[in-house]
Amino acid sequence: AQRVTQPEKLLSVFKGAPVELKCNYSYSGSPELFWYVQYSRQRLQLLLRHISRESIKGFTADLNKGETSFHLKKPFAQEEDSAMYYCALRRNTNAGKSTFGDGTTLTVKP
Amino acid sequence: GAVVSQHPSWVICKSGTSVKIECRSLDFQATTMFWYRQFPKQSLMLMATSNEGSKATYEQGVEKDKFLINHASLTLSTLTVTSAHPEDSSFYICSAIQTGTSQFFGPGTRLTVL
Repeated sequence: AQRVTQPEKLLSVFKGAPVELKCNYSYSGSPELFWYVQYSRQRLQLLLRHISRESIKGFTADLNKGETSFHLKKPFAQEEDSAMYYCALRRNTNAGKSTFGDGTTLTVKP
Repeated sequence: GAVVSQHPSWVICKSGTSVKIECRSLDFQATTMFWYRQFPKQSLMLMATSNEGSKATYEQGVEKDKFLINHASLTLSTLTVTSAHPEDSSFYICSAIQTGTSQFFGPGTRLTVL
């Protein structure tokens, strides 16, 4: 069975500080990992996926298969980063079906 | 990017009535659509996976007779909550994918059952 764990339900940092949202997964195969973001009163949207290896809005995430982690990082948090962040895992053998973590609410204080 | 719409965005109904929620992919054909339920400040709970022209696959614990899913075309899936009760009040979200892409989410539908 696949599982995604986001150990922090709430995370609060000051503007300009580094931020790291943790995500650990369990899956026996080779998964696809995603980070989704949900801003206040907006729909859930894709932030980044591990196979793209890109930086979106200053965020990066590296898949660490040894530690089964896919932590989301940003060196300098901004107030507009305040949102709910979900880590998700998709099996590469099952078209589309994803498992979501419980989410982390990030608050960036001025 | 791809756009997924949901209608209605919110609905209030009396206990015992049925409510239909539509999910449409506006500018692409979705091979698969998903229906989720989200409780306040909680994660998305996958309810079912819907493929066009075939029966939906329900997750364990989701009553298929209560949550009827119809996927009539590559751009439309509907979720009908039958004989709704207050405990069915929730935020229902659909998502759609094309083969090999990530999911595109609808804005959600807030259902309140009185």
